[in-house]
Amino acid sequence: GAGVSQSPSNKVTEKGKDVELRCDPISGHTALYWYRQRLGQGLEFLIYFQGNSAPDKSGLPSDRFSAERTGESVSTLTIQRTQQEDSAVYLCASSLEWGQGTFGSGTRLTVV
Amino acid sequence: AQSVSQHNHHVILSEAASLELGCNYSYGGTVNLFWYVQYPGQHLQLLLKYFSGDPLVKGIKGFEAEFIKSKFSFNLRKPSVQWSDTAEYFCAVNDNYGQNFVFGPGTRLSVLP
Repeated sequence: GAGVSQSPSNKVTEKGKDVELRCDPISGHTALYWYRQRLGQGLEFLIYFQGNSAPDKSGLPSDRFSAERTGESVSTLTIQRTQQEDSAVYLCASSLEWGQGTFGSGTRLTVV
Repeated sequence: AQSVSQHNHHVILSEAASLELGCNYSYGGTVNLFWYVQYPGQHLQLLLKYFSGDPLVKGIKGFEAEFIKSKFSFNLRKPSVQWSDTAEYFCAVNDNYGQNFVFGPGTRLSVLP
């Protein structure tokens, strides 16, 4: 597709359940980022994939969060045992090695 | 639907030149406004944000932005750029409920030494 695609667009889950969020980057984009934005705050960096290099996981807030990416394709962000504080919009962005980042429309996660 | 436009795709300046990057948004309600910077090979970093109050916002690294509600604008400024400011700059907006987070397409800034 022409842009970064994220699914689902909205997810409501019960506290304690696991969720999986998906990001389809733009074809050919070697870099992929996950961010989240909680209500009233700016973006919070979570994880960064660049080609076949080891990902930068320094932004993951706890060991309940993990992400995978196979090569330069789809990425999934998994949150285990969700908590109410995990409620946020989760944004994915992909880019060529230098900038030209494009953002997806996000997944709104609500933990009830 | 909300949208954000940034006036320039690529700006090239010499060191010590003044910078102004344009950002306009379309949304009829109360908004929160952000400028982010992305250095090569790094993730986004928040430069500054506006939620309410003084429309002239000071950020990190000498950047500032002015919210002009009547013009739906939130332009980023810096009086004297440095080579290390070379990066991509993104304007973003969301509504006051934290929904509809929308990014502009970005402006690449190249500062020549």
